[in-house]
Amino acid sequence: GDSVTQMEGPVTLSEEAFLTINCTYTATGYPSLFWYVQYPGEGLQLLLKATKADDKGSNKGFEATYRKETTSFHLEKGSVQVSDSAVYFCALDTSNTGNQFYFGTGTSLTVIP
Amino acid sequence: NAGVTQTPKFQVLKTGQSMTLQCAQDMNHEYMSWYRQDPGMGLRLIHYSVGAGITDQGEVPNGYNVSRSTTEDFPLRLLSAAPSQTSVYFCASSYSDGGRGLGYGYTFGSGTRLTVV
Repeated sequence: GDSVTQMEGPVTLSEEAFLTINCTYTATGYPSLFWYVQYPGEGLQLLLKATKADDKGSNKGFEATYRKETTSFHLEKGSVQVSDSAVYFCALDTSNTGNQFYFGTGTSLTVIP
Repeated sequence: NAGVTQTPKFQVLKTGQSMTLQCAQDMNHEYMSWYRQDPGMGLRLIHYSVGAGITDQGEVPNGYNVSRSTTEDFPLRLLSAAPSQTSVYFCASSYSDGGRGLGYGYTFGSGTRLTVV
């Protein structure tokens, strides 16, 4: 069945370090891919998305490229800030009827000054 | 502000009690869903609805009921609360793209933290 696998955390980085959070997926058809971010005590917010192969989603300095050949959608940021500390979720939308979303288990990121 | 509103934010129940978690959205989204979030398990789908009058089960539906009488509201009912239902519950909504892969994504509510003792 369809699924998302993302790297386990927690991840701790120093401010201005480079961030990569790996995400791979299994899906039939051509899913849309998403990264969501959850700050402490809040709901999930859409960070970026890509709807077809080779698309690059970007927002707030974060980027992810939809790689169909490797079934991946890795999240990257060149220089993290303390305010980026949050839990990051990779997700896919199978685009079948019912808009079935599948979420990864989340990766906790802590950025220290 | 437009969005998904969940109430209450916090709730403590005794085992066996029942309650309803409320969810309302004002974006005219066809699709609404309920998730629970537990440590180390990510988000698990409880029930979802593709439109008023239509609901279906997700991954973990046991112990929960839903109904969708209007486009705006999608309440989640706990029939007889159990400690295993202690969790954070999120409601989410989206436009339905009819399988066209438009990638609308979800809008989430801020969550209800439920403790069953």
